[in-house]
Amino acid sequence: DTGVSQDPRHKITKRGQNVTFRCDPISEHNRLYWYRQTLGQGPEFLTYFQNEAQLEKSRLLSDRFSAERPKGSFSTLEIQRTEQGDSAMYLCASSPPEAEKLFFGSGTQLSVL
Amino acid sequence: DAKTTQPPSMDCAEGRAANLPCNHSTISGNEYVYWYRQIHSQGPQYIIHGLKNNETNEMASLIITEDRKSSTLILPHATLRDTAVYYCIVRGGGNAGKSTFGDGTTLTVKP
Repeated sequence: DTGVSQDPRHKITKRGQNVTFRCDPISEHNRLYWYRQTLGQGPEFLTYFQNEAQLEKSRLLSDRFSAERPKGSFSTLEIQRTEQGDSAMYLCASSPPEAEKLFFGSGTQLSVL
Repeated sequence: DAKTTQPPSMDCAEGRAANLPCNHSTISGNEYVYWYRQIHSQGPQYIIHGLKNNETNEMASLIITEDRKSSTLILPHATLRDTAVYYCIVRGGGNAGKSTFGDGTTLTVKP
């Protein structure tokens, strides 16, 4: 068990650019979640996968955001045409089939200039 | 998910017990109480959860009142490394993932 891995840890980009983040969940965890956290706030749910199926998306996930989980393993979160308001920590979490608790990665800190 | 209310901040002396309260007066019968904590620059870490009975593990104890409208997380011997934001979450069983975290309680353990 190597934990949930997220890459990169930090990303600085210019407004209007596209960015992609990767999350590798704990192996055999079939559920994967993306959260967003801004300074001083708790994490906010963005989207959730069970295996390769994206089962739920928050209204926070605008059309510029897309998430995938091909083959039910790693996941990517892409933000197109970034805006300064997208600056946040993007957290990934996974959970086992019994889904009692979440295991979080260390997050990707995005700064949009 | 039921709404939770936590104090924004608390202090605790190192070596003493830290008691973190959480109010969840609208909790329904099938909803669990979860606690996570987040140390600066890291992702949240699961601590403990319970339905109606008190629970204890290697990290903490969870005391849930008989009417289930409030709970207390107890760190029996707080250390400086326990300084973190502590989140109390209430949600139904079966899918603990889509959780509403709120703003939590910032616990500062002082030497």
